[in-house]
Amino acid sequence: GENVEQHPSTLSVQEGDSAVIKCTYSDSASNYFPWYKQELGKRPQLIIDIRSNVGEKKDQRIAVTLNKTAKHFSLHITETQPEDSAVYFCAASLGGADGLTFGKGTHLIIQP
Amino acid sequence: DSGVTQTPKHLITATGQRVTLRCSPRSGDLSVYWYQQSLDQGLQFLIQYYNGEERAKGNILERFSAQQFPDLHSELNLSSLELGDSALYFCASSGGGFYEQFFGPGTRLTVL
Repeated sequence: GENVEQHPSTLSVQEGDSAVIKCTYSDSASNYFPWYKQELGKRPQLIIDIRSNVGEKKDQRIAVTLNKTAKHFSLHITETQPEDSAVYFCAASLGGADGLTFGKGTHLIIQP
Repeated sequence: DSGVTQTPKHLITATGQRVTLRCSPRSGDLSVYWYQQSLDQGLQFLIQYYNGEERAKGNILERFSAQQFPDLHSELNLSSLELGDSALYFCASSGGGFYEQFFGPGTRLTVL
């Protein structure tokens, strides 16, 4: 089955700086790659996603890039703010044919 | 608010018991997914239903079962509970395109 590796497990950045979280996946058939943000005790919240026919997608301060050949994708957050502090999860799936396989999560800490 | 509802919010029970968790998907969504989140296992896909039929299975134990009813709500049944089943159980739903999954607030299960 699919296996998703996520790095780093903890990332501390200064407010205003950029943050990058990286994930790799094992199943070349995976075609959908969402990113979720989870605050303590709350539900995972979809923040951005990308499909395998696209290399990059941007939404305001958040962008995701996908390299299908290398089987890795990354989340980029620019101009970080205190409210960006949370745990971020990457995931991969075969679109609607299966559930999401999640990475272990990255705890993003924004230092004031 | 994602539009996905789950009940109850919290559940405390004893080993060996059986519990039922309930999920109502977003209006119009036909697919329901169940996930388990624990500190040691992370976020794991359990099972998916689409319009009443089982569509995909993940790491679901034989002691666990689920179903989706004609009104599209879903129930996850956990039996012969063990201490290790203590976790957050999330339900997610998606629409006809299957891709984006929206998570409910979760049910926190504590097995004593």
